[in-house]
Amino acid sequence: EVQLVESGGGLVQPGRSLRLSCAASGFTFDDYAMHWVRQAPGKGLEWVSRISWHSGSIDYADSVKGRFTISRDNAKNSLYLQMNSLRAEDTALYYCAKDHDSSGQGLWYFDLWGRGTLVTVSS
Amino acid sequence: EKVMTQSPATLSVSPGERATLSCRASQSVSSKLAWYQQKHGQAPRLLIYGASTRATGIPARFSGSGSGTEFTLTISSLQSEDFAVYYCQQYNNWPPTFGPGTKVDIK
Repeated sequence: EVQLVESGGGLVQPGRSLRLSCAASGFTFDDYAMHWVRQAPGKGLEWVSRISWHSGSIDYADSVKGRFTISRDNAKNSLYLQMNSLRAEDTALYYCAKDHDSSGQGLWYFDLWGRGTLVTVSS
Repeated sequence: EKVMTQSPATLSVSPGERATLSCRASQSVSSKLAWYQQKHGQAPRLLIYGASTRATGIPARFSGSGSGTEFTLTISSLQSEDFAVYYCQQYNNWPPTFGPGTKVDIK
């Protein structure tokens, strides 16, 4: 089955860290760029970060640059998001999303999403 | 950053009726526009990319049109499973940005 399954969310205090994981299955993971997209409770969608197939090209939204680090392990079909210096405004459901384009760099739209993992930043 | 707006915020439609959703970009995004459907408690699903190309498995009642700054998603005959929130997203320029969504609910 083609799917993405996120894990690692939870309740964390402001200023602390959390690492999210995304397990991919059912497609050739290392053919595709991968993304993290988040959705604050009751709000819309916000793109967070992208990593190319070989990890050679990485981008971040300005709102997380310098605090979040995206990475992948193609041998394990897994995507990660290391989140440091967390703030209340980082509270959201974090989705792992697969880019539609199989060239590896990505076209920046998303044809497969996981169910998300909830991150709550609160004291 | 390109700002995306959507109208209306909420659209009340009866089953079987046609629904027309609008999306506007602050600057031209060419045809690099995608539409997603999100049902309550579920992840978004890609409906349309390239402004008008249906994604795999998407029924023909969903169609997209437009280019530049003005885009439309049309659902020709609403089915019960189509009541959801719909988001547009531009991918012409970094960063990719989403509209605030249009909620389609039952009239």
